[in-house]
Amino acid sequence: DAKTTQPNSMESNEEEPVHLPCNHSTISGTDYIHWYRQLPSQGPEYVIHGLTSNVNNRMASLAIAEDRKSSTLILHRATLRDAAVYYCILRDGNSGTYKYIFGTGTRLKVLA
Amino acid sequence: NAGVMQNPRHLVRRRGQEARLRCSPMKGHSHVYWYRQLPEEGLKFMVYLQKENIIDESGMPKERFSAEFPKEGPSILRIQQVVRGDSAAYFCASSPRTGPHTDTQYFGPGTRLTVL
Repeated sequence: DAKTTQPNSMESNEEEPVHLPCNHSTISGTDYIHWYRQLPSQGPEYVIHGLTSNVNNRMASLAIAEDRKSSTLILHRATLRDAAVYYCILRDGNSGTYKYIFGTGTRLKVLA
Repeated sequence: NAGVMQNPRHLVRRRGQEARLRCSPMKGHSHVYWYRQLPEEGLKFMVYLQKENIIDESGMPKERFSAEFPKEGPSILRIQQVVRGDSAAYFCASSPRTGPHTDTQYFGPGTRLTVL
């Protein structure tokens, strides 16, 4: 299974943008990049996913490097409710299982 | 549309007892995944099921653990003769699996199992 590397923790000030990086140098052509976040004592929450092109939704933006070996989750204006552990996951689009392999994620702290 | 439902939310068992965890997927989803999360760790895949079939159980311990997803009713994760090391949060996720791009998994709130 392809692996991802994320910083253990990051801090951001409230109302400022946050860029959460993820390295996935062993990504294959069929791997989708998924981002989830987990708030304290809750299940993971889907944030965004993409394959090659940058993606935007109401929660965040996903910027994917041209060689696809890295990606960045962008929260445009961090709020206190965005404090969570953010997971970057590669999911094989060709496998029959589509299971997620979670890493340790990045713990985002938002300062008021 | 109700989300993924899991019950109970908290479960306390003594060593040697059985734990039964239930998961009702989102409406229209026929694919269920179970994950386990130990304290301060990421989620670990356990098993993937479709209705009446186990597709991938590569992450599930060979002994004491079993899972099912019957034609009618919720998916069940069963742990027999629980030990303290089974104490963890167990998350269920469901997916419509209509294709690789639309295969997002939606997670339930989890069942927190404590073994005394």
